[in-house]
Amino acid sequence: DGGITQSPKYLFRKEGQNVTLSCEQNLNHDAMYWYRQDPGQGLRLIYYSQIVNDFQKGDIAEGYSVSREKKESFPLTVTSAQKNPTAFYLCASSIPGHQPQHFGDGTRLSIL
Amino acid sequence: EDKVVQSPLSLVVHEGDTVTLNCSYEVTNFRSLLWYKQEKKAPTFLFMLTSSGIEKKSGRLSSILDKKELFSILNITATQTGDSAIYLCAVAVTTDSWGKFQFGAGTQVVVTP
Repeated sequence: DGGITQSPKYLFRKEGQNVTLSCEQNLNHDAMYWYRQDPGQGLRLIYYSQIVNDFQKGDIAEGYSVSREKKESFPLTVTSAQKNPTAFYLCASSIPGHQPQHFGDGTRLSIL
Repeated sequence: EDKVVQSPLSLVVHEGDTVTLNCSYEVTNFRSLLWYKQEKKAPTFLFMLTSSGIEKKSGRLSSILDKKELFSILNITATQTGDSAIYLCAVAVTTDSWGKFQFGAGTQVVVTP
């Protein structure tokens, strides 16, 4: 079955540490997205990518970085510069052109 | 700045009740409005609306868009406990050669037996 796989489901970060969240899709979608979800705030866009080797900052990119070396993969690194990383992170993919997004099951990141 | 506002933020209803959720928006370059249901983890797609006044229906769920007044409603009739979830509204906006999505804060619906 086609879908999006995010790992790990739970992640703990120590102070000063960078952590990487994995997102893999086998839907053959060109567009991929990373969102952050905090209680009462809905989904906020961190980064998005339309094609391999290209990506754009979203509304809250500071303290995060991404890469898009393969069509199937769009990992997100939460750097030590992100001072409030505790949140639920969702990865999504879609066909470009405002089509509905397919979401992964998310990664919940907490600070130790 | 693009803005999507959902109301109410939360509500509790009894099984069998009808629920109406609201989504209003102020965006430039509107393309479409989408509704998602999020139970625990991944939001799942419900409807995409692009034209005013045309109701989309799936079982007990229906939705309609008013592009003049800039809002959409999602109705759930004869609610069941399985309808308990966060309902997210997202507006697709055009930037550059393709678009991104502006999400509302969501409405938490709890259906009690």
